[in-house]
Amino acid sequence: GQNIDQPTEMTATEGAIVQINCTYQTSGFNGLFWYQQHAGEAPTFLSYNVLDGLEEKGRFSSFLSRSKGYSYLLLKELQMKDSASYLCATTDSNYQLIWGAGTKLIIKP
Amino acid sequence: DAEITQSPRHKITETGRQVTLACHQTWNHNNMFWYRQDLGHGLRLIHYSYGVQDTNKGEVSDGYSVSRSNTEDLPLTLESAASSQTSVYFCASSEGEVGELFFGEGSRLTVL
Repeated sequence: GQNIDQPTEMTATEGAIVQINCTYQTSGFNGLFWYQQHAGEAPTFLSYNVLDGLEEKGRFSSFLSRSKGYSYLLLKELQMKDSASYLCATTDSNYQLIWGAGTKLIIKP
Repeated sequence: DAEITQSPRHKITETGRQVTLACHQTWNHNNMFWYRQDLGHGLRLIHYSYGVQDTNKGEVSDGYSVSRSNTEDLPLTLESAASSQTSVYFCASSEGEVGELFFGEGSRLTVL
C-alpha cells in the first residue's frame, strides 16, 4: 500500500533546531518533497530529494534514506515566521503525489 | 510575474447546487491539478490534466468533473454539491512529470 506518516504537532523554541520526521511506503518512489504551509495560505515548495543523503538550503536541510523509507526536514536558527505546517509528500506508481497530513510546528519565544 | 489564481476564494452554497471553481495559470505549464484539503488529512487529488483535452481522475474524483480547453484554465465543477464536499480546494500546476507544484491561494467552499 501507500502511506505517509509524520507527527501531528511539534513545539520548539526560537533560535533552536528542530527535526521533523516522515516515513513513507509507496510502490512508485520518484522522490520525496517537503512543502511549507502557513495557516490560511497555499503550500510552498521547500525541497526535493531523490537520492540518499542530506540536501542543505540555507537554514533548511532535508535528508532521505530510500532503504528505510525515511526522510526528515531540519530547521536551524528557528524564527517565529517558521511557525507553519510542514507537509511531506512522495509519488505513487502513477507519478502522482501522495501527502502526509502535515506537521504543525509551533515556535515559542 | 507568472502566477496561478483561483476564484472565488470563498463560497457558500446549498446542497444539490452546481458549483464551479475557476483556476487560471500564467506559468504556461502543461500539468494542472485539483486537490482538496481537510483537517487531519493530507492533500487529496481530485482530478489532474497533462495538457489540453486531457483529464484524469484522482483519488477522490466522485462528484467532481474538470475540463481542459486551453493551457491556462482547469475549472472544477461539483455537479450536485454535498455537505461532504465542504473543504478547502487548491489548484496547482507543474512543469515536469514529477516536479515542484505551484499552488493557487485556495478556495474555501461551504455546502449547507
